[in-house]
Amino acid sequence: AQSVTQLGSHVSVSEGALVLLRCNYSSSVPPYLFWYVQYPNQGLQLLLKYTSAATLVKGINGFEAEFKKSETSFHLTKPSAHMSHAAEYFCAVSDRANAGNMLTFGGGTRLMVKP
Amino acid sequence: DAGITQSPRHKVTETGTPVTLRCHQTENHRYMYWYRQDPGHGLRLIHYSYGVKDTDKGEVSDGYSVSRSKTEDFLLTLESATSSQTSVYFCAISASDRNDYGYTFGSGTRLTVV
Repeated sequence: AQSVTQLGSHVSVSEGALVLLRCNYSSSVPPYLFWYVQYPNQGLQLLLKYTSAATLVKGINGFEAEFKKSETSFHLTKPSAHMSHAAEYFCAVSDRANAGNMLTFGGGTRLMVKP
Repeated sequence: DAGITQSPRHKVTETGTPVTLRCHQTENHRYMYWYRQDPGHGLRLIHYSYGVKDTDKGEVSDGYSVSRSKTEDFLLTLESATSSQTSVYFCAISASDRNDYGYTFGSGTRLTVV
């Protein structure tokens, strides 16, 4: 069975500071990994994904994530936070043996950006 | 997203009544999913479909049923709504058999059971 743990349900940073949102996964087979962002009263939008190509993945709006197999991690980073990045972020995992293409989501991390 | 719509967007219903939520897609994707979102729990899978008339249970399927009679429509029914089913419900679609594309999500349905 696969699972995702997001460390920190709330993260607060100052505008211009580094954003680091943590995600650790558990999967019995090499996983596909995803980060989604959710703005208030909206659905989830795909930020980036890891599907076994480069371990450093670049997504939209300057976000990046690095797949580290030895640490079973897929942390999301953004060099400089902006007020517009305030949202909830979800990490998700899918294992390749998953016949239903199901994603398992973490509990989410709400990012707050202080002026 | 333009290719997937959920209806209604908001609904208030009484305990014990049946409720049906609709997900409609125009992408002709094979896979469709219903998730519920609750604070602290992220998104949890209720049911999913891998083709017309082909559905299966997810993690939190008790009290819910689904139907998919056409590729484009996936219905979620709460047989007899309870207050614990107050939640935001999201539909998602996926094209890839390898699930390396991720999902496209609808805008959600906020359901309140009173």
